[in-house]
Amino acid sequence: DAKTTQPNSMESNEEEPVHLPCNHSTISGTDYIHWYRQLPSQGPEYVIHGLTSNVNNRMASLAIAEDRKSSTLILHRATLRDAAVYYCILGSGAGSYQLTFGKGTKLSVIP
Amino acid sequence: EPEVTQTPSHQVTQMGQEVILRCVPISNHLYFYWYRQILGQKVEFLVSFYNNEISEKSEIFDDQFSVERPDGSNFTLKIRSTKLEDSAMYFCASDHGTVQETQYFGPGTRLLVL
Repeated sequence: DAKTTQPNSMESNEEEPVHLPCNHSTISGTDYIHWYRQLPSQGPEYVIHGLTSNVNNRMASLAIAEDRKSSTLILHRATLRDAAVYYCILGSGAGSYQLTFGKGTKLSVIP
Repeated sequence: EPEVTQTPSHQVTQMGQEVILRCVPISNHLYFYWYRQILGQKVEFLVSFYNNEISEKSEIFDDQFSVERPDGSNFTLKIRSTKLEDSAMYFCASDHGTVQETQYFGPGTRLLVL
């Protein structure tokens, strides 16, 4: 499985933008980049995903490097509710749909 | 918005007892999953289920575990003889089954084996 590398933790002030990086230097051409998050004591929750182009949805934006070896999840205005562990996961397809979670980045939001 | 539901939210059992964890996936989804998360550790894949049979399973999913879709709505995980190390949060998830698909997770069942 292609691996991802994320910082263990990050901090942000409330109402400021947050950029969460992810390195995936061994990504293959068909791997999708998925981001999930897990709020305290809850199940993982989908945030966003993309293949090559940058993506926006109501929760966040995903910026994908041109060589696809890294990506950045952007929360435009962090709120206290965004405090969670954020996981960057590669979807390898080929009939395998399981999600392989790493340790993720624990985001703390300071009021 | 449709959601995955799980029951019970908490389960306490004695070592060696059988437990059944229940999930109701989103109704038009085709793939169903179980994951577990031991306290303080990563979320780990256990098994995926499609068309009434196991599609994939991890090394964790040994003979003590089984899954079933007994009717059109429920998806269950059975642990035949629980061990202390089975204590964890168990999450059910479902999706349509494509690589770009979003998996929807339930709130989890916290299992404590004494």
